[in-house]
Amino acid sequence: DQQVKQNSPSLSVQEGRISILNCDYTNSMFDYFLWYKKYPAEGPTFLISISSIKDKNEDGRFTVFLNKSAKHLSLHIVPSQPGDSAVYFCAASVTSGTYKYIFGTGTRLKVLA
Amino acid sequence: NAGVTQTPKFRILKIGQSMTLQCAQDMNHNYMYWYRQDPGMGLKLIYYSVGAGITDKGEVPNGYNVSRSTTEDFPLRLELAAPSQTSVYFCASGQGLNQPQHFGDGTRLSIL
Repeated sequence: DQQVKQNSPSLSVQEGRISILNCDYTNSMFDYFLWYKKYPAEGPTFLISISSIKDKNEDGRFTVFLNKSAKHLSLHIVPSQPGDSAVYFCAASVTSGTYKYIFGTGTRLKVLA
Repeated sequence: NAGVTQTPKFRILKIGQSMTLQCAQDMNHNYMYWYRQDPGMGLKLIYYSVGAGITDKGEVPNGYNVSRSTTEDFPLRLELAAPSQTSVYFCASGQGLNQPQHFGDGTRLSIL
């Protein structure tokens, strides 16, 4: 039972354009969401997060949008840069009574110069 | 600033052998986690700990054991290695609720 889904295994975008990575979840109890970026042979690094009390969080070129009614979140990268080429994972958690995160399967982003 | 350190980076085991994957963090985080990542898959939680002396099972604990005798260290033990345990293992630490986790660079384990 995949509670967090990233249905696009890969995405290619031209440098300077917007990258949109999507994530869907099934558990309505999730109330905290994160995006991680992973380069080859390295561990994931935290990118941006959002609490369920918000519908948008922005940090520089990165913005995460949360649509609770659709159980959907997205990560927007504007403008995309070649250094953004990596695998992006979304993760979700229920913050009350647990410290566990459920990860999606990842989307490989390639930014073309 | 080391963060989360995992050793070894690579290891090849024979079926039935045992080994311990080491994980240490220097951020004084109470929460520590072990994940495995299989090709094309997300990270699956094996075990986690909310403090020294406290551990609990994650999604895929079978075939593994953990201990947490200090805040800094969270070793993962494979007792009887099986080919299904071939994977990349990541250790992470965090401050707790609504806080991101910090990951090590992983241990790539092959069991032949």
